[in-house]
Amino acid sequence: GENVEQHPSTLSVQEGDSAVIKCTYSDSASNYFPWYKQELGKRPQLIIDIRSNVGEKKDQRIAVTLNKTAKHFSLHITETQPEDSAVYFCAASSPEYGNKLVFGAGTILRVKS
Amino acid sequence: SQTIHQWPATLVQPVGSPLSLECTVEGTSNPNLYWYRQAAGRGLQLLFYSVGIGQISSEVPQNLSASRPQDRQFILSSKKLLLSDSGFYLCAWSRGQNTGELFFGEGSRLTVL
Repeated sequence: GENVEQHPSTLSVQEGDSAVIKCTYSDSASNYFPWYKQELGKRPQLIIDIRSNVGEKKDQRIAVTLNKTAKHFSLHITETQPEDSAVYFCAASSPEYGNKLVFGAGTILRVKS
Repeated sequence: SQTIHQWPATLVQPVGSPLSLECTVEGTSNPNLYWYRQAAGRGLQLLFYSVGIGQISSEVPQNLSASRPQDRQFILSSKKLLLSDSGFYLCAWSRGQNTGELFFGEGSRLTVL
């Protein structure tokens, strides 16, 4: 089945700096790649997603890039703010495996003010 | 609009006791339903998913079971809890057929003592 690896496991940045989280996936048929943000004790919530027919997508301070050849995708957060501190999860799904989302292990992002 | 409700929010159970977590979705029909578990500081592990009433697929062998008695109701159960069953359980739904966003419930924090 699909396997998703996420790096780094923890990331500390200074407020105003950029943060980048990277994920790789194993199934070349995967075609949907969402990113979720989970604040402490709360449910994960979708922040941005990208489909395999697009290489990059941006929404204000966050962007996601996808390299299908290399089978990796990344989340970019610019001008980080303290409220960006949370756990971020990448995920991938493949039609060959019922379109179920397989999640990465998560990245704890700390933005220091 | 669609909403997902999950309960109870927290529970503390002794080893060997039964478990029942319930999840209902409103505002949509024939959703795909999922149970995820999140151990402390870890990622999201898919436990069960269902594409219709009475149709349950298990992702990992374990001490838990799931049932879908109605279209928008998903129940996670155990006859005898183990210490290792402790964690944060998340119900989720997605629209059927195509890959898309996963919507999570508020979560249920289970502590087995």
